[in-house]
Amino acid sequence: KAGVTQTPRYLIKTRGQQVTLSCSPISGHRSVSWYQQTPGQGLQFLFEYFSETQRNKGNFPGRFSGRQFSNSRSEMNVSTLELGDSALYLCASSPQGGLADTQYFGPGTRLTVL
Amino acid sequence: QKEVEQNSGPLSVPEGAIASLNCTYSDRGSQSFFWYRQYSGKSPELIMSIYSNGDKEDGRFTAQLNKASQYVSLLIRDSQPSDSATYLCAVTLTGTASKLTFGTGTRLQVTL
Repeated sequence: KAGVTQTPRYLIKTRGQQVTLSCSPISGHRSVSWYQQTPGQGLQFLFEYFSETQRNKGNFPGRFSGRQFSNSRSEMNVSTLELGDSALYLCASSPQGGLADTQYFGPGTRLTVL
Repeated sequence: QKEVEQNSGPLSVPEGAIASLNCTYSDRGSQSFFWYRQYSGKSPELIMSIYSNGDKEDGRFTAQLNKASQYVSLLIRDSQPSDSATYLCAVTLTGTASKLTFGTGTRLQVTL
């Protein structure tokens, strides 16, 4: 099976702009979770989508949003970018997002905000 | 107190030795535990998952879980230079099945 794919792999934006990141889960996986990784804060959970519904949300401002399509592909949007949004954004997919499910990570999108 | 704690390291072990990586968590109701390996510039990849008390072995890797002590560890036998990476402990806290809470990771260096 193909793994989780994320596009684009690298992005450079300036403060105030907005950005959209895309994630295609492993075939058959219906749960997609998004994480932000920074050197200072480590890996932090943003939100999880299952069957086109946000099922879980982390402690990030409303500038961070997402959605999921009927084919389980997911997008994440960050509006009004700040310097502190520079990070590696990772998405992970799992079959159902259940307790015993393993989350498999994509290669990530490296976002740099200037 | 952080929800998931790991020693940041670096932990340095000679090639062929056993590397022992430790993780403690604060939520007694946590049920799922994962070890991920992350090479510099890459995304995390799953090493082991463990859900019940005791040991779970997979090749050179053994995960150990002690829910009473709220402690999970990863042993790497016959460490190789290719094992040099950051090891992330991840836990699903009570009521958050789809959300992984990560420790800050332990950097392992396997020396020749």
